[in-house]
Amino acid sequence: QSALTQPASVSGSRGQSITISCTGASSDVGGYDYVSWYQQHPGKAPKVLIYEVSDRPSGVSHRFSGSKSGITASLTISGLQAEDEADYYCSYCFSKRSSRICVFGTGTKVTVL
Amino acid sequence: QVQLQESGPGLVKPSETLSLTCTVSGGSISSYYWSWIRQPPGKGLEWIGYIYHSGYGNYNPSLKSRVTISVDTSKNQFSLKLSSVTAADTAVYYCARDHFPGSYYDYWGQGTLVTVSS
Repeated sequence: QSALTQPASVSGSRGQSITISCTGASSDVGGYDYVSWYQQHPGKAPKVLIYEVSDRPSGVSHRFSGSKSGITASLTISGLQAEDEADYYCSYCFSKRSSRICVFGTGTKVTVL
Repeated sequence: QVQLQESGPGLVKPSETLSLTCTVSGGSISSYYWSWIRQPPGKGLEWIGYIYHSGYGNYNPSLKSRVTISVDTSKNQFSLKLSSVTAADTAVYYCARDHFPGSYYDYWGQGTLVTVSS
């Protein structure tokens, strides 16, 4: 199962909004709602930002939002802040022969200008 | 607050078996799925596999022939074994709680670097 495709890097100025895309084959992302997003700062474990396409765990800023259209899921960061500079990964799990298979995106480095 | 801690050797010789254990504290290992995820230096995340407290699980097809994940509910631990390792298996290995349904990882260990080298 190939990784989900994300842009290698995205940048924006403080206060702006940016969107990170996550594109898979039509047989996976497009037909499933279990897409999640993670933020990873250097040397740290990833932290979940979004699950089930657009739900936020408690404690995650409302500046992070998720959506999906067709075979592309997206993470939008509004009001970009310095601490948002990190790597971001999407993830998706799907059922195959009654078992779950999971895959991560290629990762996107966000730079705050 | 659930906490996860990976433990095991940081250096493994080529062709040998990598063995790691994840100890779960602050909550029971029962009623949840648990996963292993790795990240080669400077690269992205790769899902290795998951296990349920009952012992049911599944693995990444690209690693399936070499991976075994097991669970010990009496110790609140689950473990990873990866056989016939090569330098390509050098990575930070994370254990994580796999929230199913929903298929997302809500608690992570700090990660442990395993280097494959003679």
